[in-house]
Amino acid sequence: KQEVTQIPAALSVPEGENLVLNCSFTDSAIYNLQWFRQDPGKGLTSLLLIQSSQREQTSGRLNASLDKSSGRSTLYIAASQPGDSATYLCAVRRGVTGANNLFFGTGTRLTVIP
Amino acid sequence: EAQVTQNPRYLITVTGKKLTVTCSQNMNHEYMSWYRQDPGLGLRQIYYSMNVEATDKGDVPEGYKVSRKEKRNFPLILESPSPNQTSLYFCASSLKGGGAAKNIQYFGAGTRLSVL
Repeated sequence: KQEVTQIPAALSVPEGENLVLNCSFTDSAIYNLQWFRQDPGKGLTSLLLIQSSQREQTSGRLNASLDKSSGRSTLYIAASQPGDSATYLCAVRRGVTGANNLFFGTGTRLTVIP
Repeated sequence: EAQVTQNPRYLITVTGKKLTVTCSQNMNHEYMSWYRQDPGLGLRQIYYSMNVEATDKGDVPEGYKVSRKEKRNFPLILESPSPNQTSLYFCASSLKGGGAAKNIQYFGAGTRLSVL
């Protein structure tokens, strides 16, 4: 069974710093990997999705990379802001179709200190 | 606005009292899922649905029921809630098929359930 791990569980950085969040998965046979943001009292918001054939995706200050062979993905956040404070989750999809093949990590809780 | 709507957002109940958490999406998505989120365990899938009248168990289905009579609605039913079902619940939906756009999951805002 696919297991997804995110380390560290929590991270605090001063405003303006660049930072990297890590995600690792045990089964490299994935279809894609998705990064989400979760704010307290709210649902999950999709940030970036990387297909298994891709190496990275970028959206604004966010850059996600994928190394499928080593079972790793990183989410790079440039010039962090207090508004980036949230929990970040990664999820891997096992197959092309199906509604039961998404596996989540336990998340990294990020605090950006003004 | 495209969204997944869950109700209620907060619910406190007692052991054994049947309850239903509703979920509705307005994006004509085929796939819908229910997850529960617990500290240290991440999100775990309870039930999922591929389309109307097509549901199946996820990783932690015990104590839950679902139905999919209409494409837009996917209610979660707890026939006899127990304290170990105290959790944060999320409904999610996505389009059927491959491709990056179709695989993006849309989540509701969550339902925080406490069973006393």
